[in-house]
Amino acid sequence: AQKITQTQPGMFVQEKEAVTLDCTYDTSDPSYGLFWYKQPSSGEMIFLIYQGSYDQQNATEGRYSLNFQKARKSANLVISASQLGDSAMYFCAMRGLNTGGFKTIFGAGTRLFVKA
Amino acid sequence: DVKVTQSSRYLVKRTGEKVFLECVQDMDHENMFWYRQDPGLGLRLIYFSYDVKMKEKGDIPEGYSVSREKKERFSLILESASTNQTSMYLCASSQISSGQGAQQPQHFGDGTRLSIL
Repeated sequence: AQKITQTQPGMFVQEKEAVTLDCTYDTSDPSYGLFWYKQPSSGEMIFLIYQGSYDQQNATEGRYSLNFQKARKSANLVISASQLGDSAMYFCAMRGLNTGGFKTIFGAGTRLFVKA
Repeated sequence: DVKVTQSSRYLVKRTGEKVFLECVQDMDHENMFWYRQDPGLGLRLIYFSYDVKMKEKGDIPEGYSVSREKKERFSLILESASTNQTSMYLCASSQISSGQGAQQPQHFGDGTRLSIL
């Protein structure tokens, strides 16, 4: 069975500092993809970053980077130089690329608060 | 630009009513999904469709049905609404899930906050 665990219901970070949002996963699929989404208070889900299980390098997209540790089954999101607009819910998600088919599973989410 | 449109942002209905939530995407995506989002539970998959007139149950299909008569439109139906179906409903679409398409993210609508009284 596939599972995503986000253990931090809420996080605070000072503006301009970096923050790490934790995500661990469990899957029996040898090939899988990991996604992070942002959900502001307005409700829309915004795709941030993708990491494939066979990618040699950690994914980066602007201020977002993914600290992927395959042996530990963790895929933590790092946001550098936090901005007030980063305050939102963040979801980690996974899709098994062989057996997962069409399904993407999501974690419970972490609410990030950026303080001025 | 990619666009998934849900027909309502907020909806209030009564117990026992038949409720329709509509979702339209303009990206010619094969796959479409309906999720519900509840605090502390993340997103849970209700139903998905990988082609016109094709549908598959997700993790929590009880009390729901879906319809996909056209590629761009995916409807979620609450046959007889109950108070425990009060939730945020999110529609999403994605490209095919094999090969390079498997790396593509899902694109979401803005969500519908449904209240059943």
